[in-house]
Amino acid sequence: EPEVTQTPSHQVTQMGQEVILRCVPISNHLYFYWYRQILGQKVEFLVSFYNNEISEKSEIFDDQFSVERPDGSNFTLKIRSTKLEDSAMYFCATTPKGAQGSGELFFGEGSRLTVL
Amino acid sequence: DQQVKQNSPSLSVQEGRISILNCDYTNSMFDYFLWYKKYPAEGPTFLISISSIKDKNEDGRFTVFLNKSAKHLSLHIVPSQPGDSAVYFCAARAIYNFNKFYFGSGTKLNVKP
Repeated sequence: EPEVTQTPSHQVTQMGQEVILRCVPISNHLYFYWYRQILGQKVEFLVSFYNNEISEKSEIFDDQFSVERPDGSNFTLKIRSTKLEDSAMYFCATTPKGAQGSGELFFGEGSRLTVL
Repeated sequence: DQQVKQNSPSLSVQEGRISILNCDYTNSMFDYFLWYKKYPAEGPTFLISISSIKDKNEDGRFTVFLNKSAKHLSLHIVPSQPGDSAVYFCAARAIYNFNKFYFGSGTKLNVKP
């Protein structure tokens, strides 16, 4: 069964360092999302991406964050200068035809980011 | 802004009995609701959904009930099985924004054999 894959599964970094989290979407999916979950808290929307541009972003997604699809396959989330509060599990999610379809998001296994 | 709330962080149920997971929301513009299940070290997987035009949707052992006047939905699992032990997330989407889902903080279900 097709699945969303994410790398790395866990990354430990020093505060102020840049981090790139990678996602390989399901091949025929067109809409991509990043969500995050701080330990013990709710899953929070960060950004949605379609047709090589951001379609929606939350207030969390400030100038320190960026997304791109550099090679037509990987979908990346970059955090330019990490802060302690960026420590969280980051989930990539995709859908074939946008959330206006079935509404079902297909999630990857997540990338745990620990900022020291 | 916690627009979707799951007030019970955990629930323990005996195998074979009913599990009831609850979710409350505040935004009256939410028109689509979903439940996701998450095992440790895995991403959330879709379980069942319901549109705001319905008050019940059933899929095998899983039934979701929606009470719009109370802004409340619940997931019933009957009968509960040990393999159902996981974290369950409630999620909602607003009619004016298909791209953004709001999630609750999750309820950890433990089904005891």
